Amino acid sequence: DAGVIQSPRHEVTEMGQEVTLRCKPISGHNSLFWYRQTMMRGLELLIYFNNNVPIDDSGMPEDRFSAKMPNASFSTLKIQPSEPRDSAVYFCASSRDGAKNIQYFGAGTRLSVL
Amino acid sequence: AQSVTQLDSQVPVFEEAPVELRCNYSSSVSVYLFWYVQYPNQGLQLLLKYLSGSTLVKGINGFEAEFNKSQTSFHLRKPSVHISDTAEYFCAVTLNQAGTALIFGKGTTLSVSS
Repeated sequence: DAGVIQSPRHEVTEMGQEVTLRCKPISGHNSLFWYRQTMMRGLELLIYFNNNVPIDDSGMPEDRFSAKMPNASFSTLKIQPSEPRDSAVYFCASSRDGAKNIQYFGAGTRLSVL
Repeated sequence: AQSVTQLDSQVPVFEEAPVELRCNYSSSVSVYLFWYVQYPNQGLQLLLKYLSGSTLVKGINGFEAEFNKSQTSFHLRKPSVHISDTAEYFCAVTLNQAGTALIFGKGTTLSVSS
C-alpha cells in the first residue's frame, strides 16, 4: 500500500513568493494533519481535517498560512507571502476513524525561504 | 488539555548498552500513547502504541514501553542498542476518541556510538 505522499520533497523559494505544499493521504483514511518541525519549536500541529472539514486550525501561525482539503485524497498547505522564518520541514499525516488515532506520516517537505 | 514532557533532550549511549527514554504525560481523561521514531531526513515512523490492556507494549526493532497510570509515564526501553538506533524519538498522546490530533513531546535524540 502506498503511504502518505507529499510533494515536493524540497522547496527553495525567495521571500515574498507563494509556496504550495501537497499531500495525498492513505486511501481510506479520513483524518489529515499538517505539522511543522523546526529545531526551536519541535513538532507543531498546524491544522487537521476530519472528513475533509477543518476541525482545528488554532496552530496556523497567521493569515499567510491557509490549508484546504477539496476531497478525501488531496490536501494543500499554502503560504503567501512566504518569509524566511517559515523555513522548516512540513509533515502531513493521516489516520482512519476506528484505528485508535494511529497516524501515518509522509516523508515531509523541507522548505527553505531565502 | 493534554501535554507531553520528554525529560531528556539528548541521550548518548554505547552500542549494546541498555537505554531508557523517559516520557511523562498530563491528561484528565483517558488517552492513547505512542512512540514514534524519526531517522535523519525521514518522516516519523510508529514504534509502538498503548491503547488499552497490558501495560507493557512491544514495538518494532526490539523496543518496548511500559504504561504507568499512577505515575503518568510511558518510558521507552531497549535492553541492547545498535548503532542503527541512532535517531530522534517522540512520545505522543491523544484522546481516546476518533479523529483527534496527537500532542507530541519535544523529542529525545538517541546517539549510539561504538
